[in-house]
Amino acid sequence: NAGVTQTPKFQVLKTGQSMTLQCAQDMNHNSMYWYRQDPGMGLRLIYYSASEGTTDKGEVPNGYNVSRLNKREFSLRLESAAPSQTSVYFCASSGRADTEAFFGQGTRLTVV
Amino acid sequence: GENVEQHPSTLSVQEGDSAVIKCTYSDSASNYFPWYKQELGKGPQLIIDIRSNVGEKKDQRIAVTLNKTAKHFSLHITETQPEDSAVYFCAASTTGTASKLTFGTGTRLQVTL
Repeated sequence: NAGVTQTPKFQVLKTGQSMTLQCAQDMNHNSMYWYRQDPGMGLRLIYYSASEGTTDKGEVPNGYNVSRLNKREFSLRLESAAPSQTSVYFCASSGRADTEAFFGQGTRLTVV
Repeated sequence: GENVEQHPSTLSVQEGDSAVIKCTYSDSASNYFPWYKQELGKGPQLIIDIRSNVGEKKDQRIAVTLNKTAKHFSLHITETQPEDSAVYFCAASTTGTASKLTFGTGTRLQVTL
């Protein structure tokens, strides 16, 4: 059982470049999330999708877009990367917000 | 929206001692309070959770207490072991299909021999 799979694990981008972080879950979960983790800041919610076909902004959505491609997949896109987006990104999924969330292994992104 | 504060940010205890991490939340509608453990290089994993209709929950060496009136909840780890060293996050959520989980800023626990 793979759980939540994120790709890539590491990425270096130049300022202004674009990229998409991929996330897939095989647990038939309705809810999926993208968080970023920065030292001393905890896990901050970027976007979430409570069900297939819906997406909502979280705490720090600026500079990002998301797509809930189907029930399994939820991608995060950086259209024009900035050094402030250097962070570790985690995708997570859960049946509902008030049930256990399962996290991927994370993507370490550096923007130079 | 919900705001979750967590302290301390770092905690060092000797093996065998107890560790306590405290969190407060702002949204009185929150009714689900999980705790996650994150080991180095990995994603967070749920270790215990509590719902608003319960004041305390235990699972072996781990316990969580909730005070809804004061809007705070705590994680208690007894008889700490070196493998308890990790970053711990509290979180809060309401129920409902559009709900989201809000995390605290994390506590780095170091258990020394």
